[in-house]
Amino acid sequence: ETGVTQTPRHLVMGMTNKKSLKCEQHLGHNAMYWYKQSAKKPLELMFVYNFKEQTENNSVPSRFSPECPNSSHLFLHLHTLQPEDSALYLCASSPETGPDTQYFGPGTRLTVL
Amino acid sequence: RKEVEQDPGPFNVPEGATVAFNCTYSNSASQSFFWYRQDCRKEPKLLMSVYSSGNEDGRFTAQLNRASQYISLLIRDSKLSDSATYLCVVSNSGYSTLTFGKGTMLLVSP
Repeated sequence: ETGVTQTPRHLVMGMTNKKSLKCEQHLGHNAMYWYKQSAKKPLELMFVYNFKEQTENNSVPSRFSPECPNSSHLFLHLHTLQPEDSALYLCASSPETGPDTQYFGPGTRLTVL
Repeated sequence: RKEVEQDPGPFNVPEGATVAFNCTYSNSASQSFFWYRQDCRKEPKLLMSVYSSGNEDGRFTAQLNRASQYISLLIRDSKLSDSATYLCVVSNSGYSTLTFGKGTMLLVSP
């Protein structure tokens, strides 16, 4: 399935590096999301965008910086991360925000050394 | 109290068994309920929505008890391919987002 794609699929970075995660959805949806999934924890919502506007920031540290240039693309810019930020980062989209089914991308497995 | 709590698992069952997953949620204003499935090292995918009247999709039956704030998923005649983590998901009234449980892992063995 190629409805929601994410790149890269795997990323290893040092604490002083700057990198970006990319998400693209081909479903014509208006809402996009970033989630963090750590071992033995539930998915944690990070950011919500609706029609390119950020509607929710779930108390995420500023070392994570989202960008949504249009309804199809979502980026997560990373800088000066910590080892505890190592996790699976999942992008999702839905037709609108609200109790809609969300479609997830395959995720980026991030390791911070 | 956690917002969405699930059985810790894992559940180990033989093929053909019936298995039930339980989930409780803390917000009585919750409006929408889902079960997602996540295979190992893959993304979550919607398995089924959960309606007040209960709903069935083949071997899968989902039920909702609003008074007890409880959701269940029953899988009959388990297949090897049912092995995955099952995520209970709740959407709250007035919020734009979904809240996920930790998930319960199911392992179906031959």
